[in-house]
Amino acid sequence: SQQGEEDPQALSIQEGENATMNCSYKTSINNLQWYRQNSGRGLVHLILIRSNEREKHSGRLRVTLDTSKKSSSLLITASRAADTASYFCATLKAAGNKLTFGGGTRVLVKP
Amino acid sequence: DAGVIQSPRHEVTEMGQEVTLRCKPISGHDYLFWYRQTMMRGLELLIYFNNNVPIDDSGMPEDRFSAKMPNASFSTLKIQPSEPRDSAVYFCASSPADRVNTGELFFGEGSRLTVL
Repeated sequence: SQQGEEDPQALSIQEGENATMNCSYKTSINNLQWYRQNSGRGLVHLILIRSNEREKHSGRLRVTLDTSKKSSSLLITASRAADTASYFCATLKAAGNKLTFGGGTRVLVKP
Repeated sequence: DAGVIQSPRHEVTEMGQEVTLRCKPISGHDYLFWYRQTMMRGLELLIYFNNNVPIDDSGMPEDRFSAKMPNASFSTLKIQPSEPRDSAVYFCASSPADRVNTGELFFGEGSRLTVL
């Protein structure tokens, strides 16, 4: 099974609304990443949150991490049509450089 | 700056044929990763290299798959013989040593493989 599992699998919102997606993972981590993938393209790194951080902001993105619940959330505020993409959480185990991805959340922002 | 470059972007082949996918990492990146993406299994790490040396190939599905990195600027992923279940998008990613341990990878655009 995958280390990270996103919820929901798909999300459809209107432009201007906020989009929230969640990620759960199973084992101890050093940090957690969020990536975006536009249709037919490669993945692009969005934001990193370390295990000793609880919240992080980058532009319209807000990421939270709850290590006690082994979960993270990504919030996109004031969404735009260009935010339409799949979003993946990814975790790096305490040892090694193997980045494991969740199943992703497909976000559709309607203009 | 040029990103990770993969070729071909699309390949359609028949079962039993040999397939070679190519990757040029970002110059100066010490680590190179090959991932496979399918609807059913999501993104799977196949193998990764550090300074051209394979470090972990536990994700390579079977002996039909092989990967090489003859130098710092080139890697190949070969499937021989190919089967329909190998149909997927194959991604190459690279990372410098000071980013890899935080999980920040730089991905290419992928090679979409269809095996008929």
